[in-house]
Amino acid sequence: KAGVTQTPRYLIKTRGQQVTLSCSPISGHRSVSWYQQTPGQGLQFLFEYFSETQRNKGNFPGRFSGRQFSNSRSEMNVSTLELGDSALYLCASSPGLAGKPYEQYFGPGTRLTVT
Amino acid sequence: AQRVTQPEKLLSVFKGAPVELKCNYSYSGSPELFWYVQYSRQRLQLLLRHISRESIKGFTADLNKGETSFHLKKPFAQEEDSAMYYCALSGGSNYKLTFGKGTLLTVNP
Repeated sequence: KAGVTQTPRYLIKTRGQQVTLSCSPISGHRSVSWYQQTPGQGLQFLFEYFSETQRNKGNFPGRFSGRQFSNSRSEMNVSTLELGDSALYLCASSPGLAGKPYEQYFGPGTRLTVT
Repeated sequence: AQRVTQPEKLLSVFKGAPVELKCNYSYSGSPELFWYVQYSRQRLQLLLRHISRESIKGFTADLNKGETSFHLKKPFAQEEDSAMYYCALSGGSNYKLTFGKGTLLTVNP
C-alpha cells in the first residue's frame, strides 16, 4: 500500500497570510490526524477527523482548522499566519475503528516557514 | 489529562552495549502505549505497540502499570539504531496520540 502523502512538502509564507496543507491517507484508512512539530514543543496534536467528522481537537487557536472529504483526504488551514506557526506539520492516518489499537502512520510532513 | 515523559533528551552508548530508553506516562484509564522512531531524513514510523508484546529490530518494551512506565530496551545496540525515539500514548477512544519530547539515541562504533 502507498503510504501517507502530504503536499506541498515545503512552504514559505508571509505573516498575515493563510495557508492550506493537504494530506492523503493510506488506502482504507478513515481517520486522519494532524500534528505540529517544533523543536521547543515537540509533537502536538491539532485535530482528528473520521468520516468527515472532527472527533477530537487539541489546544490550538481557532486560526487552525481542518476538514476531511468523502474520500478521506484531509486539508488543514491556518489563517492569519504568525511567526510562531513556523513548524513541520505532520499528517497521520489510521483505520480509526472503535475498539481497535490506535496506531497511526505518518506522512513526511510539510515544512512551513513564516517570514 | 494524558502526559508522556521521556526524561533523557540524549542517550549515547557504544555498539554492543545494552540500551534502555525511558518512558513514563500519566493517564487515569487504560492506555495504549507505542514507540515511534525517526531515522535521519525519514518519516516518523511505528516501532512497537504494547498490545502486541512483540520484538522489532531486537527492541522490546513492557508496560508496567504499577510504575506507569513503558521503557524501550535492546540488549545489544547497533549503529543503525541511532535515531530519535518517541514514546506515545493513546487514551482509549479520545482518538489522539500524546507524544513525549523524544530521546535522541546515538550508538557509537
